Amino acid sequence: DQQVKQNSPSLSVQEGRISILNCDYTNSMFDYFLWYKKYPAEGPTFLISISSIKDKNEDGRFTVFLNKSAKHLSLHIVPSQPGDSAVYFCAASAVDQFYFGTGTSLTVIP
Amino acid sequence: DAGVTQSPTHLIKTRGQHVTLRCSPISGHKSVSWYQQVLGQGPQFIFQYYEKEERGRGNFPDRFSARQFPNYSSELNVNALLLGDSALYLCASSLFSQLNSGNTIYFGEGSWLTVV
Repeated sequence: DQQVKQNSPSLSVQEGRISILNCDYTNSMFDYFLWYKKYPAEGPTFLISISSIKDKNEDGRFTVFLNKSAKHLSLHIVPSQPGDSAVYFCAASAVDQFYFGTGTSLTVIP
Repeated sequence: DAGVTQSPTHLIKTRGQHVTLRCSPISGHKSVSWYQQVLGQGPQFIFQYYEKEERGRGNFPDRFSARQFPNYSSELNVNALLLGDSALYLCASSLFSQLNSGNTIYFGEGSWLTVV
């Protein structure tokens, strides 16, 4: 039972444009959400997080939006750069553990 | 400061064998958790240890076990290896137990296990 879902396996964006990565979840008990970036042959790198008491968190080019009523979060990258090309995982935590989505592979085209 | 370190980085084992994977957390972090990532999937939670005690276990068979040492490093052991155990095994560390909201986990590079 996949409690965190990333329905887009891949996304291609032109350099300089906005990248929007989406994530849906089913468990209303989730209270903390994170995004990780993963390059091939490396472990996931923490990118940005948001608490369930907020609806937006910004860090440089990265902004995460949380819509609790829709059980949906998104990661915006503006402007997108070729170095952003990687697999992005969203994750959610409840009381006991972190749950991860299946990832979205982002390709930023120069 | 060193991040999360894992060893070995790559290994090949035969079905039925046993494997031990090792992890050293970020200095000052007392919580270590283990995740399995199969190709095309997201990381799946296996275990979490905090202050040397098991705090959580995912939906994995008893062939999987782990422990945490007084210096907060950790080992993941897998017995009677199956072909389906082939995966990237990730260790993550955090300051606090994952039971607390707002706790960020930081991953190591992973150990690639291939079972043949």
